Amino acid sequence: NAGVTQTPKFQVLKTGQSMTLQCAQDMNHEYMSWYRQDPGMGLRLIHYSVGAGITDQGEVPNGYNVSRSTTEDFPLRLLSAAPSQTSVYFCASTWDRTGASPLHFGNGTRLTVT
Amino acid sequence: SQQGEEDPQALSIQEGENATMNCSYKTSINNLQWYRQNSGRGLVHLILIRSNEREKHSGRLRVTLDTSKKSSSLLITASRAADTASYFCATVPNSGGYQKVTFGTGTKLQVIP
Repeated sequence: NAGVTQTPKFQVLKTGQSMTLQCAQDMNHEYMSWYRQDPGMGLRLIHYSVGAGITDQGEVPNGYNVSRSTTEDFPLRLLSAAPSQTSVYFCASTWDRTGASPLHFGNGTRLTVT
Repeated sequence: SQQGEEDPQALSIQEGENATMNCSYKTSINNLQWYRQNSGRGLVHLILIRSNEREKHSGRLRVTLDTSKKSSSLLITASRAADTASYFCATVPNSGGYQKVTFGTGTKLQVIP
C-alpha cells in the first residue's frame, strides 16, 4: 500500500516562481488536507477538501491555491513564491469527516524559497 | 491557532527507560490523538483517546486523559533506540471536523542506545 504520496521531496525556488506540489492517495479517502510545518509552530492547515470539486481555506491559505478534480489527487499550487513560504509541506487524508479517526500523512515536501 | 502544547520540548533518555510526554490544551475536545514523526518523514498515528476515556493502552504506549485539567500524557515504556522521534498531540474540538484538528509543537525524544 502506497498510502499518501507526495512529490517532489525537495524543491528550491526563487522568489516569484510558481510551482505545484503533488499529493496522491490510494485509499479512496474523501477528505484531504494540506499543512505546513515550521519550527516551533506545529502543523498549520493551509487548505482542505471534502471531496472531488470541493475545497476550502484553512488557517493560512494566502499565497496558495488548490483544486480537487479526482478523489485521488489534491495538488497545492504556489502562485508566486516568497521566502515566508519556506517550510515543510504535508498532505494528509482520512476517511472520516468528523475527526474521530486518524489522519494519514505523506512524507512531505521540503521547500526553500530564496 | 495552536491548541496543544507539549512538555518537555526535548527529552533524552537511555534505552530501556520510560519516556513521558505531556500535552495541555485549551478548549473542550471530542478526542485527542498522538502522532510520531521520524526525522524527514510524515506523521504517523499512534493512538486516539476519546473525551469520555481516561486511559488507553497500545503495546508499549499508555495514554491518559484528564479533561478537567485539559491535559494528556503519553508514556512509552522500555524505550528503544527506534523510538527516537518527535511526538505530537493533536486535538479535535467538540464541534468535530477533521479539518479542525490542531497540532501541538511536539516533544523531541532521543533514546540513547
